Amino acid sequence: GQNIDQPTEMTATEGAIVQINCTYQTSGFNGLFWYQQHAGEAPTFLSYNVLDGLEEKGRFSSFLSRSKGYSYLLLKELQMKDSASYLCAVRPPNFGNEKLTFGTGTRLTIIP
Amino acid sequence: GAGVSQSPSNKVTEKGKDVELRCDPISGHTALYWYRQSLGQGLEFLIYFQGNSAPDKSGLPSDRFSAERTGGSVSTLTIQRTQQEDSAVYLCASSLARESYGYTFGSGTRLTVV
Repeated sequence: GQNIDQPTEMTATEGAIVQINCTYQTSGFNGLFWYQQHAGEAPTFLSYNVLDGLEEKGRFSSFLSRSKGYSYLLLKELQMKDSASYLCAVRPPNFGNEKLTFGTGTRLTIIP
Repeated sequence: GAGVSQSPSNKVTEKGKDVELRCDPISGHTALYWYRQSLGQGLEFLIYFQGNSAPDKSGLPSDRFSAERTGGSVSTLTIQRTQQEDSAVYLCASSLARESYGYTFGSGTRLTVV
């Protein structure tokens, strides 16, 4: 089975740094995605990790530890527009199967 | 098209009525997915089409739900005899097979059953 855990809500201050954690317990693993979803809009791709380590992309970085079943999304220099839900999703190991399993998402609120 | 298009964007229907939700994926994307997002819940997988293969229907919650994909492109999700618990945002996504950049989602159809 698949189980993905994320905090439900977080609050952070404009200009600061925030880390959103995701832990997973899955019957197989072939990569982890982070998506951003603004209220009333479609989720949009942020990052993809399949190997251990840190992937940096501008203000956003994503980390993966496969042995610990753990990932985090790090957002730096927070802006008000970063207020959104952040979804963690795990990709199954079966070739050709792109059916992702999503966590419930973390609603991030940025305050001035 | 440039993105994944879904219609209608909003649908209010009476309990017991049938509804059809449409998804037009990105041209050339062979894979198409339907997910459901309820308030406070994660995205719930419904059904997955990949090329000419038989669809993966393992996520459909009941036999009131069905989906088809015509000509490898447009897909329609049909919900028969709608119930209040069917109220949710229905999201469609498409992708190239085995693409590492995941899905491109449509903006969704917000279904409200009254």
